Amino acid sequence: QITLTQQAESLWVSPGEKVSITCRASQSLLYTDGKHYLSWYQQRPGQTTKALIYHASIRTDGVPTRFIGSGSGTEFTLSIEDVQPEDIALYYCLQTLKKPYTFGAGTKLELK
Amino acid sequence: EVQLVESGGGLVQPGRSLKLSCLASGFTFSNYGMNWIRQAPGKGLEWVASISSSSSYIYYADTVKGRFTISRDNAKNTLYLQMTSLRSEDTALYYCARRAPYYFDYWGQGVMVTVSS
Repeated sequence: QITLTQQAESLWVSPGEKVSITCRASQSLLYTDGKHYLSWYQQRPGQTTKALIYHASIRTDGVPTRFIGSGSGTEFTLSIEDVQPEDIALYYCLQTLKKPYTFGAGTKLELK
Repeated sequence: EVQLVESGGGLVQPGRSLKLSCLASGFTFSNYGMNWIRQAPGKGLEWVASISSSSSYIYYADTVKGRFTISRDNAKNTLYLQMTSLRSEDTALYYCARRAPYYFDYWGQGVMVTVSS
């Protein structure tokens, strides 16, 4: 199965700063259609899990432009520019290239 | 508004069975594949099972294969997860999520399953 590694368990950030969360896959997530099957999710207490990014870099409807997905092959990054207090959450990456679908272990964004 | 509402969780003894439901609304349920994902207390997310829109394609994680059965009733807009031979390691918050292709675009709030004697 494909393993996704999110190196950082926690990242500390101040409001207004930029932060990057990385996700490394054990094999390329590029499919023959030219798209990467990597998506990002946000979990906040009391709220449903929210999809932020799919195909590595496409924001889902309504997601603020400060959320930026990038990367290719096996290395992917979710960047949050101008972090807002409401961005304090858990973030997970997910690969849907091959079953079993697998998630990264998650990165907790915390306030300094 | 898309809504997914899970139910059927609770406390169950090891070896027993439990059936979860996920009632969908706000979209044409029969057009979408669906998934179950779980999260053990304090742990990360684990994909459990998926089912295509017409139930033609079904897949399971190895950890639940042979014990869990995913199904759906498109007439009732409901997704199910029949869980048998439950183990303590199945204790988790179980989410249903809509698949919009290649990622999970909407998730429910989750339902807790606790397996303990």
